[in-house]
Amino acid sequence: SQQGEEDPQALSIQEGENATMNCSYKTSINNLQWYRQNSGRGLVHLILIRSNEREKHSGRLRVTLDTSKKSSSLLITASRAADTASYFCATDQGGSEKLVFGKGMKLTVNP
Amino acid sequence: DAGITQSPRHKVTETGTPVTLRCHQTENHRYMYWYRQDPGHGLRLIHYSYGVKDTDKGEVSDGYSVSRSKTEDFLLTLESATSSQTSVYFCATRQGINYGYTFGSGTRLTVV
Repeated sequence: SQQGEEDPQALSIQEGENATMNCSYKTSINNLQWYRQNSGRGLVHLILIRSNEREKHSGRLRVTLDTSKKSSSLLITASRAADTASYFCATDQGGSEKLVFGKGMKLTVNP
Repeated sequence: DAGITQSPRHKVTETGTPVTLRCHQTENHRYMYWYRQDPGHGLRLIHYSYGVKDTDKGEVSDGYSVSRSKTEDFLLTLESATSSQTSVYFCATRQGINYGYTFGSGTRLTVV
């Protein structure tokens, strides 16, 4: 079963705008991760946020985590055409050795 | 992706034939995983390994087996390929459970 569910499933924005993607999950977690996948490629790890963290930054990426609501958001600021990709959240279901991925969200950034 | 090689990159095979996909890593990561990616389903875990000769099933393991005889290599075998196993297969590795995955470039398998 899918642990994380991304929302919206697709988002189209203009270059320079911010993009926000949300992820909801069902069980307790030790950490939550976000990945990007360009068309025809493997997934690339973007950021990991631990359950005791509320916010984390990496370059133009900002991730928040609300464990009380079992949700996370990924914000990409000042988007670029190169950010066009699918984005996935993944959770470890309370420290499991394996990650469970959501179905992904497609972001299109128009030049 | 640096350090992880999947082979072959593309394969077409006939129903009923056995197929083996290979994942090779130079990262010395303890954990290795096989996922399949299908439209509408995202990534689903087939099998994973937490050490040499230590493997466990994922959510879609039926019809698949794996072997890990050394740290670097994790093999996925489709015992008798079916059309429902047409998919893109990704290998991933990681150093430990508090790390992110590093993914290979994928193998596109078509069963006709």
